[in-house]
Amino acid sequence: GNSVTQMEGPVTLSEEAFLTINCTYTATGYPSLFWYVQYPGEGLQLLLKATKADDKGSNKGFEATYRKETTSFHLEKGSVQVSDSAVYFCALYAGNNRKLIWGLGTSLAVNP
Amino acid sequence: GAGVSQSPSNKVTEKGKDVELRCDPISGHTALYWYRQRLGQGLEFLIYFQGNSAPDKSGLPSDRFSAERTGESVSTLTIQRTQQEDSAVYLCASSLAPGSNTGELFFGEGSRLTVL
Repeated sequence: GNSVTQMEGPVTLSEEAFLTINCTYTATGYPSLFWYVQYPGEGLQLLLKATKADDKGSNKGFEATYRKETTSFHLEKGSVQVSDSAVYFCALYAGNNRKLIWGLGTSLAVNP
Repeated sequence: GAGVSQSPSNKVTEKGKDVELRCDPISGHTALYWYRQRLGQGLEFLIYFQGNSAPDKSGLPSDRFSAERTGESVSTLTIQRTQQEDSAVYLCASSLAPGSNTGELFFGEGSRLTVL
């Protein structure tokens, strides 16, 4: 069945450090891939997405590339800020069951 | 409204009581989802509504949990005879019909339930 595996947290970085949060998936067919973010005290919101292989999603300085050959969708940011402290969720949508399949979330704390 | 609205934002109840949580989706969104998020854990799918189709209840953890939605409007999640393990944030999300998008969900801010 479909599944998402993302790196466990918590991740703690200093401001301006490089961020990578790994996400790999298992799916039949050609899923769409998402990163959602949950800031403290707020609801989940879409950060970026990619709908086909080799697509790169980007938003707020974050990027993720849909790699079909490695079944991965790793989240990266070149220089994190304190305001990026949040929980990040990787998810896939395969369409056949009409539900998003979620990773467990990775907590990121950025220190000044 | 402009976004998904959930109420109450916080609910503290005693074990054994019933609770109702409400979700008002984005206008025009035919799909509505309920998720549960326990402290420090990922999202647990509960139930999915799509238009007038029969809901997908496969994620409801027990028969104490039920949900209703009238047409494409408000949904209510009911938990009967609450237990301490029901304590969690209950998230509602809505989206356009699955055939017309690629799965992007819009979430409310959640209802935090604490069962004493």
